[in-house]
Amino acid sequence: DTAVSQTPKYLVTQMGNDKSIKCEQNLGHDTMYWYKQDSKKFLKIMFSYNNKELIINETVPNRFSPKSPDKAHLNLHINSLELGDSAVYFCASSQVPYNEQFFGPGTRLTVL
Amino acid sequence: AQSVTQLDSQVPVFEEAPVELRCNYSSSVSVYLFWYVQYPNQGLQLLLKYLSGSTLVKGINGFEAEFNKSQTSFHLRKPSVHISDTAEYFCALASGGSNYKLTFGKGTLLTVNP
Repeated sequence: DTAVSQTPKYLVTQMGNDKSIKCEQNLGHDTMYWYKQDSKKFLKIMFSYNNKELIINETVPNRFSPKSPDKAHLNLHINSLELGDSAVYFCASSQVPYNEQFFGPGTRLTVL
Repeated sequence: AQSVTQLDSQVPVFEEAPVELRCNYSSSVSVYLFWYVQYPNQGLQLLLKYLSGSTLVKGINGFEAEFNKSQTSFHLRKPSVHISDTAEYFCALASGGSNYKLTFGKGTLLTVNP
């Protein structure tokens, strides 16, 4: 059973489009995260939700909007995609905010 | 503000040699430290973590790390590496002052050659 899953694994789209990435965890964790990994492998947190409440919102363009319908799901919607949005996006979850985070396999987004 | 510095962006070693990947951190409050490994085209997997207690932490795949508060370091070591250890390694820090978000270092690419 996959602990943290993301769909899709690959996403290729044109500039200006709107797209969503879905994340689900079956670990019963309370906290979920979105990270962006750029082409140089640098990982930066974007958002964090604890019990469906937004607790971390880094300096991210407001074209990015997270949605947490329940504790097990955290989706990422991106409007008006730009070339610079091309990256690998990772979802993660943890039982408590300071402890081990479990990562999904990533979604490779390519904006043409 | 908290930060993590991984001093080496690439570390090439021969198989069965020992390796140390260096990590220094900066934080004004108590910290929790982690090492993650990322194999090509995969997500991140936890190698080991320091939350409290013994400063020598043992992890999976024969890795260990030592928390050194006076030197603000958390270096990762393995006495004998295998080809399969080739991967990107990330040091990460969480501290109470930042709502416990994880701050990652820039990563160290460990390449094990035959």
